Amino acid sequence: DTGVSQDPRHKITKRGQNVTFRCDPISEHNRLYWYRQTLGQGPEFLTYFQNEAQLEKSRLLSDRFSAERPKGSFSTLEIQRTEQGDSAMYLCASSLVGGDDTQYFGPGTRLTVL
Amino acid sequence: GENVEQHPSTLSVQEGDSAVIKCTYSDSASNYFPWYKQELGKRPQLIIDIRSNVGEKKDQRIAVTLNKTAKHFSLHITETQPEDSAVYFCAATTNAGGTSYGKLTFGQGTILTVHP
Repeated sequence: DTGVSQDPRHKITKRGQNVTFRCDPISEHNRLYWYRQTLGQGPEFLTYFQNEAQLEKSRLLSDRFSAERPKGSFSTLEIQRTEQGDSAMYLCASSLVGGDDTQYFGPGTRLTVL
Repeated sequence: GENVEQHPSTLSVQEGDSAVIKCTYSDSASNYFPWYKQELGKRPQLIIDIRSNVGEKKDQRIAVTLNKTAKHFSLHITETQPEDSAVYFCAATTNAGGTSYGKLTFGQGTILTVHP
């Protein structure tokens, strides 16, 4: 499968624990986006990278959230001290600047905080 | 920032009927409007998109229209089939005069059910 992949697909954690998600974009895609989707809502932008540079973070993003894309390929999203309100689907998307610019989404990581 | 409103939230049609979903946006700088289809438990998939330099785009049974003056765009599905049943999201973004588009702002989604 040459599409966007995410790992894990599901994560159950207890409140207060830290979690880390990984996203592998489509090969050679230079942009990588993170979105969060709660039940019955559209995806909500969190942050995005162009190569290894983080270009924008949502003002809604708590300081407990951090994302990295150290080598301009895969990205990780870490949530520290999880809260029940963090329960959601975390979606990753990638695109090629200079190409068709379409954002292709991964299958998501569903986080449940107990 | 951009705000996208989508209506209706649910839509039920009989197989063979047409379905129309409407979205409005607030930022006049938005110039790219994709539509995504998301089946239960699956990733959002692009089904059609439109850029602000055209008013309509069609791909087989799916079409999108854009009214820049009124800041609204619509998805039209003709001859609906049960496999069209899914959640549909509209979105908007801008390239802000540059060469690439940025983050997407999504509508709230429309649950489309096509009854056989």
